[in-house]
Amino acid sequence: DAGVIQSPRHEVTEMGQEVTLRCKPISGHNSLFWYRQTMMRGLELLIYFNNNVPIDDSGMPEDRFSAKMPNASFSTLKIQPSEPRDSAVYFCASSFRQGLVYGYTFGSGTRLTVV
Amino acid sequence: KQEVTQIPAALSVPEGENLVLNCSFTDSAIYNLQWFRQDPGKGLTSLLLIQSSQREQTSGRLNASLDKSSGRSTLYIAASQPGDSATYLCAPNHGSGNTGKLIFGQGTTLQVKP
Repeated sequence: DAGVIQSPRHEVTEMGQEVTLRCKPISGHNSLFWYRQTMMRGLELLIYFNNNVPIDDSGMPEDRFSAKMPNASFSTLKIQPSEPRDSAVYFCASSFRQGLVYGYTFGSGTRLTVV
Repeated sequence: KQEVTQIPAALSVPEGENLVLNCSFTDSAIYNLQWFRQDPGKGLTSLLLIQSSQREQTSGRLNASLDKSSGRSTLYIAASQPGDSATYLCAPNHGSGNTGKLIFGQGTTLQVKP
């Protein structure tokens, strides 16, 4: 099992450009989460999906951010247009629930720098 | 809105000490609570999960307790080692039985000196 796979690992882009972050969850996990981590605000939940359906996007900072999960094995987080304040590490996580047992696995993150 | 506070923000101890990390949360209507570890530049690794009906959970040298009514959890690390140096994050789960969202504290950064 390769775990949760995120790409790219690092992204440097100019202000105003479109950025797309990608995530492949663990096969069999039915929930997927996008988090953003900064020194000032810590880990913030942006959006999460259950069975490919967006459940809670209240953490998405503004309309410039959008997320999709077209199937159980792929999700994207898009920022258009990007701004310097979007610079952060973006984590994807997937989880399952079987009875009372949970599994929660994070990817290694994408470090985004907007200049 | 759930707010999670972790105290202390940073901790430096000599190897071999037992230590306690504290977590408090404002909304006690949680389904469970997890403790994670994050190494610099890395993702998060789940350490322990405590169900809301449980009082504590143990894994090796780690013991996590939960007092849901008072909104508190502690992570106890016995006989600390330099390899324990990392940031420890507490995250209550408001999933109402589903794999719901975790709300994270700012973490406690631990340094264990040899």
